Amino acid sequence: AQSVSQHNHHVILSEAASLELGCNYSYGGTVNLFWYVQYPGQHLQLLLKYFSGDPLVKGIKGFEAEFIKSKFSFNLRKPSVQWSDTAEYFCAVNAGNNRKLIWGLGTSLAVNP
Amino acid sequence: GAVVSQHPSRVICKSGTSVKIECRSLDFQATTMFWYRQFPKQSLMLMATSNEGSKATYEQGVEKDKFLINHASLTLSTLTVTSAHPEDSSFYICSANSAGTGAKNIQYFGAGTRLSVL
Repeated sequence: AQSVSQHNHHVILSEAASLELGCNYSYGGTVNLFWYVQYPGQHLQLLLKYFSGDPLVKGIKGFEAEFIKSKFSFNLRKPSVQWSDTAEYFCAVNAGNNRKLIWGLGTSLAVNP
Repeated sequence: GAVVSQHPSRVICKSGTSVKIECRSLDFQATTMFWYRQFPKQSLMLMATSNEGSKATYEQGVEKDKFLINHASLTLSTLTVTSAHPEDSSFYICSANSAGTGAKNIQYFGAGTRLSVL
């Protein structure tokens, strides 16, 4: 069965620290990959996505993610976090033409000012 | 663009009553909408996929008679929690696909509905 694994459940950083959140999926075929963010009290927002092409994807607010097919990974990165990045981050995948998203369990990021 | 409106944002009801939650795509047509349930500090659990003009597809373990889904138009899907009980208290979230066919679609999310059953 398809699954998505997020390795870090809780991350605490100081402002200006670099961030990398891991995401691995299990599916051998074509995938679409997403990172969503949920700020406190707000709805889920799309941070970035990968469908095809350049495996290094840039999203909003300075985030980027790299798709490494050989590792089945789509890790999220940001070189310098801000207090306003405190949120819940979810990795999600849909496979082939299936519109259903398979979700990771999420990573709670707390950035201390 | 791609705004999804979900209403109400919060509802408190008595046990045994039914509650209807609406999900609207405001500036695009959504042939497919999804209903999720989110428990505190956990990921989203897909309950069902709602297709315009046809029956919803429910995930394993979700009671279709308990959670009635209607997708009568390309911009509106409703979830009715029938005979609600305290264990149905949760955060319900809808999303809508932006594209008609193929895999290149993105889900846009509503703000969620906090249901509390007394």
